[in-house]
Amino acid sequence: DAKTTQPPSMDCAEGRAANLPCNHSTISGNEYVYWYRQIHSQGPQYIIHGLKNNETNEMASLIITEDRKSSTLILPHATLRDTAVYYCIVIRATDSWGKLQFGAGTQVVVTP
Amino acid sequence: GAVVSQHPSRVICKSGTSVKIECRSLDFQATTMFWYRQFPKQSLMLMATSNEGSKATYEQGVEKDKFLINHASLTLSTLTVTSAHPEDSSFYICSARHGKGTDTQYFGPGTRLTVL
Repeated sequence: DAKTTQPPSMDCAEGRAANLPCNHSTISGNEYVYWYRQIHSQGPQYIIHGLKNNETNEMASLIITEDRKSSTLILPHATLRDTAVYYCIVIRATDSWGKLQFGAGTQVVVTP
Repeated sequence: GAVVSQHPSRVICKSGTSVKIECRSLDFQATTMFWYRQFPKQSLMLMATSNEGSKATYEQGVEKDKFLINHASLTLSTLTVTSAHPEDSSFYICSARHGKGTDTQYFGPGTRLTVL
C-alpha cells in the first residue's frame, strides 16, 4: 500500500476551518484514501474516505487532487473537541483489505 | 450505526496471569475483526486479523501463543493475553468491518492493560 506523508502538527483557531494535508504520491488506481482521528486515550474514529472524487459528510470534506497524489481533509468549523491526532491512510482494495497501516499522523490542536 | 464496544475498558493484573478482552460489534455483523496495540506516544500497530470461524492471522513478530484470538461469532472476538508481563502493558484496540469488499473499519474504545 502507498505510504503517506503528513505534517507532524498543526494549530487551528476555534471556529475556523482546519485544512489537513496528506501526500500519497505513490498511490495506485485501486487505492482509497481514508481519514481517521484519535482523541487522546480513545479508539480511532472514522471520518471520511474517497477514491477519486471529492467527498463530504457531516464531519468533514475530503478534497483529492486530480492526479490523486495528495489530498486535504477539511474540518469546516473546528471546535475544541476536534483536538486529536489525524491519520491519513491509503489502502488497496485487495484480499488484505482492512489491514490499516497507521503512520504518525498530524497532531491537531484547536485553541480558543 | 457501526458501533464497536470493548470490555473491560481498563484492567490491572499481576505478572503471570492471563487477561481476556472482548470486542463486540453492536449493530452489525463483522466477518472480520482486527486487533491493534498502541504503546505510549506511538501509533497503532496491527497485531492480528480475525475472521469469523477461522484461525487468526498474526502480523510478523506477534506471538500467536501469547496473544490468543477467538472469533466465535459474527459479533464477538476475544483477545487473551496469556502469562502477561509488564512489557505487555499497553492500549489494546479492536476494530471490525461489515463484510467483504471495501467496507469501512470501525474501532472500539480500547482497553488499557497494566501488568504489575
